[in-house]
Amino acid sequence: ETGVTQSPTHLIKTRGQQVTLRCSSQSGHNTVSWYQQALGQGPQFIFQYYREEENGRGNFPPRFSGLQFPNYSSELNVNALELDDSALYLCASSFSGRAPNEQFFGPGTRLTVL
Amino acid sequence: AQKVTQAQTEISVVEKEDVTLDCVYETRDTTYYLFWYKQPPSGELVFLIRRNSFDEQNEISGRYSWNFQKSTSSFNFTITASQVVDSAVYFCALSEPYSSASKIIFGSGTRLSIRP
Repeated sequence: ETGVTQSPTHLIKTRGQQVTLRCSSQSGHNTVSWYQQALGQGPQFIFQYYREEENGRGNFPPRFSGLQFPNYSSELNVNALELDDSALYLCASSFSGRAPNEQFFGPGTRLTVL
Repeated sequence: AQKVTQAQTEISVVEKEDVTLDCVYETRDTTYYLFWYKQPPSGELVFLIRRNSFDEQNEISGRYSWNFQKSTSSFNFTITASQVVDSAVYFCALSEPYSSASKIIFGSGTRLSIRP
């Protein structure tokens, strides 16, 4: 069984740029959630995708957007990067329909905004 | 609103000591799930345990044990005979399965250092 993978591992951008982070869900999973983890804090829920549609969103501005593809992989896009966007971005996959919330996390993408 | 509080920011103990990580949560729902995750320096969140709100039975898994007390809204985690490999940041978390999205609400974490 293939686990959750994320790419890239690390990324450095400058303020105002745009970034795309990628996540491949675990085999058999159809739901992907994205979390932002700032340094020294717990992860915060950004949004979740199920059947290629956004299925719930946390307290993040519209410049955070996402996609889910037919193979259930997902992208997180962030426009107009700000310094505070520097964080570890975690992707978690799960299967909607089983006992809820068995989310499996990927290793994360560390984004640095200069 | 849902909230998870981990009052202990950092804990440092000598190897083989027992250590308890505290977790207090707030939720208005009667049905919810509680979790503990471990985050080693590599950054990946490692799932340790999930409990649902109807199951207050304590659980033991090897050197790990969890004490769920609904009356005090606490879900504490104890490591017995700690080892250096237990050094990591530990997160307690809460999820409400019937919300629009199965989001997990994390506490701010407790950094555990086990000294040899």
